[in-house]
Amino acid sequence: DTAVSQTPKYLVTQMGNDKSIKCEQNLGHDTMYWYKQDSKKFLKIMFSYNNKELIINETVPNRFSPKSPDKAHLNLHINSLELGDSAVYFCASSPQTLTGAEAFFGQGTRLTVV
Amino acid sequence: QQQVKQSPQSLIVQKGGISIINCAYENTAFDYFPWYQQFPGKGPALLIAIRPDVSEKKEGRFTISFNKSAKQFSLHIMDSQPGDSATYFCAASMGGATNKLIFGTGTLLAVQP
Repeated sequence: DTAVSQTPKYLVTQMGNDKSIKCEQNLGHDTMYWYKQDSKKFLKIMFSYNNKELIINETVPNRFSPKSPDKAHLNLHINSLELGDSAVYFCASSPQTLTGAEAFFGQGTRLTVV
Repeated sequence: QQQVKQSPQSLIVQKGGISIINCAYENTAFDYFPWYQQFPGKGPALLIAIRPDVSEKKEGRFTISFNKSAKQFSLHIMDSQPGDSATYFCAASMGGATNKLIFGTGTLLAVQP
């Protein structure tokens, strides 16, 4: 019974292609995120959605477009893929609270652009 | 002001030893300081977390020490085991709509048998 699940786990594609990563959470959380982990394992937030509304866009190129059809799903679409987009992308969710709270992460999608 | 600095970058400890990882932050608005553990091919998973009104929190072999005035916190792993070998990330966040985690740069821990 996976809490945060994302698909696919691996994605290999050519430069210039468009690809999507899907994420679903069954925790009933209001907030979902996309994080990017680069080759040095540094984790950085890309987007945050709260109840289907975009809250944070951390200066991510507009080739990246998140979409939240409902509060349990947050998908990431990437246009015109570049070599530098190769990374592991993690979806996460957390409850909305007045103070900081735990985020639950998916298993990640390793994107390789060739 | 949003940075969280973490050291060391890597750590080798003998089985049974103590592993210590340190972090420092700048933004005093942070009110939640978690440590995440990540195994290869997996997502980060919460290990232990602390809030700034507490100076220490212990869960089993894992302890967070928190120094609010110095804006520093650390993770201590007692009786380190080979199964503890993983990458550890400290993080900080504040609540509300922007409950994003600001991560440290990670520490690769190797516990030798």
